[in-house]
Amino acid sequence: DTAVSQTPKYLVTQMGNDKSIKCEQNLGHDTMYWYKQDSKKFLKIMFSYNNKELIINETVPNRFSPKSPDKAHLNLHINSLELGDSAVYFCASSQVRSRRENTEAFFGQGTRLTVV
Amino acid sequence: SQQGEEDPQALSIQEGENATMNCSYKTSINNLQWYRQNSGRGLVHLILIRSNEREKHSGRLRVTLDTSKKSSSLLITASRAADTASYFCATDAGANSKLTFGKGITLSVRP
Repeated sequence: DTAVSQTPKYLVTQMGNDKSIKCEQNLGHDTMYWYKQDSKKFLKIMFSYNNKELIINETVPNRFSPKSPDKAHLNLHINSLELGDSAVYFCASSQVRSRRENTEAFFGQGTRLTVV
Repeated sequence: SQQGEEDPQALSIQEGENATMNCSYKTSINNLQWYRQNSGRGLVHLILIRSNEREKHSGRLRVTLDTSKKSSSLLITASRAADTASYFCATDAGANSKLTFGKGITLSVRP
């Protein structure tokens, strides 16, 4: 069984469209993340949810809206897609210790978004 | 803001040689982690070292941590072609459950 699965793997869409990427983890972790990896492989955190609660919201355009229906799912909805949104988006999960320390993060396979 | 900075940015070695990659960071941390990313894939966790640890081993991997210098190194011994990948360090500063990644090092191991 895949620990962190995200769909779709590839997404090609036109500017101005709205799209969603889904993520599910079966590890029982309480924290989930969305990362964006640009063409230079730089990995930047976008959002973090802990037990369905938004913990981190980095400087991300409000066209990006995460939704966590339960602690095993964290979906990413993007409105009015722009060319600059083209990147690989990774979902990840981890278990936060009592001192708010992260253990290892498990990553999904990534969603390569191409906006044309 | 970016926390970890790896160096070198790219490393090319012959199979069988050792590969050493370095990571520097700016703030105090709870732990530091190393990840590998094969081309077109997600990141895979390799090893975690806590701030009160100085060295850790896992198979052919050896990680050191020097909190006074705010730096870590990852040593891969007896490298194999299959070790070809990008390697990232990530720091957990404990604030807001955030893992912050460096830019990564591209390792090429020539058969």
